[in-house]
Amino acid sequence: QSALTQPASVSGSPGQSIAISCTGTSSDVGGYDYVSWYQQHPGKAPTLMIYDVSNRLSGVSNRFSASKSGNTASLTISGLQAEDEADYYCSSYTSSSTLYVFGTGTKVTVL
Amino acid sequence: EVQLVESGGGLVQPGGSLRLSCAASGFTFRSFEMNWVRQAPGKGLEWISYISSRVNTIYYADSVKGRFTISRDNAKNSLYLQMNSLRAEDTAVYYCARRELLAFDFWGRGTMVTVSS
Repeated sequence: QSALTQPASVSGSPGQSIAISCTGTSSDVGGYDYVSWYQQHPGKAPTLMIYDVSNRLSGVSNRFSASKSGNTASLTISGLQAEDEADYYCSSYTSSSTLYVFGTGTKVTVL
Repeated sequence: EVQLVESGGGLVQPGGSLRLSCAASGFTFRSFEMNWVRQAPGKGLEWISYISSRVNTIYYADSVKGRFTISRDNAKNSLYLQMNSLRAEDTAVYYCARRELLAFDFWGRGTMVTVSS
């Protein structure tokens, strides 16, 4: 089971919007509405932000939104803020024997 | 407050063994499915194992199948990972993570495992 494909880095200026893609296959992203997104600050554990493709966890800013089309899921951060600078990972349930697969991770830089 | 606290990491030689523990508190541990996820230094997240709430279903990533064993003791609110035949590529921070809504909704801070001679 290969990792889901994410861009290595995405950057934007404060206030701008950015999008992070997460590409898998019909066995994972495309086959189930069980895509989740995690934020990880340096030296910290990941935290869940989005589950079931587009549902924000309670307490997560509405500047974060997510969607899915075919085998690709996307996370959009609008009104980019300095505190959004972190690594972001997608994850999907998969029909393979490995059960779950993570994305390769995207480093978001606020310019 | 939900808390997951991993322990048991350290330095081990290739071919050696280590047992990780994850102490859970702040929620009804026996009602939740649990996972182990690892992150090699400077690398991304890798899911490695899942165990159902009643221990009747277990899954492993291919990279650890046959070498690692996940278990839990619901009476002690604890999750375990027995790691045998360790390799250099197993070097990573190991996180325990609770599964809810088919996502990993709470994570511990992790414990570092270094496999080196």
